[in-house]
Amino acid sequence: GENVEQHPSTLSVQEGDSAVIKCTYSDSASNYFPWYKQELGKRPQLIIDIRSNVGEKKDQRIAVTLNKTAKHFSLHITETQPEDSAVYFCAASGGSYIPTFGRGTSLIVHP
Amino acid sequence: GAVVSQHPSRVICKSGTSVKIECRSLDFQATTMFWYRQFPKKSLMLMATSNEGSKATYEQGVEKDKFLINHASLTLSTLTVTSAHPEDSSFYICSATSGRTDTQYFGPGTRLTVL
Repeated sequence: GENVEQHPSTLSVQEGDSAVIKCTYSDSASNYFPWYKQELGKRPQLIIDIRSNVGEKKDQRIAVTLNKTAKHFSLHITETQPEDSAVYFCAASGGSYIPTFGRGTSLIVHP
Repeated sequence: GAVVSQHPSRVICKSGTSVKIECRSLDFQATTMFWYRQFPKKSLMLMATSNEGSKATYEQGVEKDKFLINHASLTLSTLTVTSAHPEDSSFYICSATSGRTDTQYFGPGTRLTVL
């Protein structure tokens, strides 16, 4: 089955800095890669996703890149703000639509 | 956007009792629903996948007789924790997909505390 590794587990940055979270996957058949943000005690919220026919996607301060050959994808947050503090999960899924989640990254943005 | 609701949001029960959690897709038909369990500061652990009208597919290590899942309609799935014990205390989250896309929409979660 699919195996998703996510790094780092904790990321601490100063407000205004950029943050990068990386994930690798094992199943070359995976073709959908969403990123979720989860605040404490709340539901995971989809913030951006990318499909295997695209190498990069951007939405304001958030961008995701995908390298199919190397089987890794990354989340980039620019100009971080304290409200970006949360746990971020990456996931990978293929034809079965059953996603495999990474272990999560706790992002802390210091004012 | 697609909205998924979950009820109750919080439940406290005595050991040995059963608890039912409902997951509803409010504005779309959910062909597939997923049930997750999440421990504090941990990732989402998939418990089972359910498709409308068929039996749920449980992940390895999840007791199907303890965690009963029913997906009777395209908008409702239920998870029943039978004979709950303190170790079942956790945050349970459902999610749903419409079948047209593999994007998952999550419910707000249910905090279960078993005394």
